[in-house]
Amino acid sequence: AQSVTQLGSHVSVSEGALVLLRCNYSSSVPPYLFWYVQYPNQGLQLLLKYTSAATLVKGINGFEAEFKKSETSFHLTKPSAHMSDAAEYFCAVSESGANSKLTFGKGITLSVRP
Amino acid sequence: SAVISQKPSRDICQRGTSLTIQCQVDSQVTMMFWYRQQPGQSLTLIATANQGSEATYESGFVIDKFPISRPNLTFSTLTVSNMSPEDSSIYLCSVDDIQETQYFGPGTRLLVL
Repeated sequence: AQSVTQLGSHVSVSEGALVLLRCNYSSSVPPYLFWYVQYPNQGLQLLLKYTSAATLVKGINGFEAEFKKSETSFHLTKPSAHMSDAAEYFCAVSESGANSKLTFGKGITLSVRP
Repeated sequence: SAVISQKPSRDICQRGTSLTIQCQVDSQVTMMFWYRQQPGQSLTLIATANQGSEATYESGFVIDKFPISRPNLTFSTLTVSNMSPEDSSIYLCSVDDIQETQYFGPGTRLLVL
């Protein structure tokens, strides 16, 4: 079985500050890992994904995440927050590649203060 | 990435009625998925829809409540049957592309009174 833990439900940062959203996973096989973002009243948009290639993954909008097998983590970071980054962020895991179901974490709401 | 549309985008329904949600993709895909996102919650997979075969339902979801059709490689429907207020959620479809990634539609926001 696979699972995802996103500790906390809300993170608030100042504009220009570092964004760090934590994600830990559990998987019985090498995982594929994903970060999705959901803006208010919209669907999910893929930010980035790890599928067993480079452990440091760069995504859209300046976000990146690092896969650390020893820590079973896939934390999402961005050096400098923008107001437009305010949204809900979901970490997800799948145990194989194509055609495999995703298991999502609870999600984290990111607020950005002016 | 695939472009996915859903209809309706939102609806308000009376309890005891049924609503059919449509999901259209701009390219042929093997697998389509239906998720539910209850208010303030994460996404939960309802079922996986394969073209030409019955959908595969996750634990806690049954075909009588959530019948799914998949008539071709670009289209699927999810019906929410005999609705109750507990069915008020966002329902999202997704597709799995050849690069092992799921892309999501904009969602259908359902309120059951």
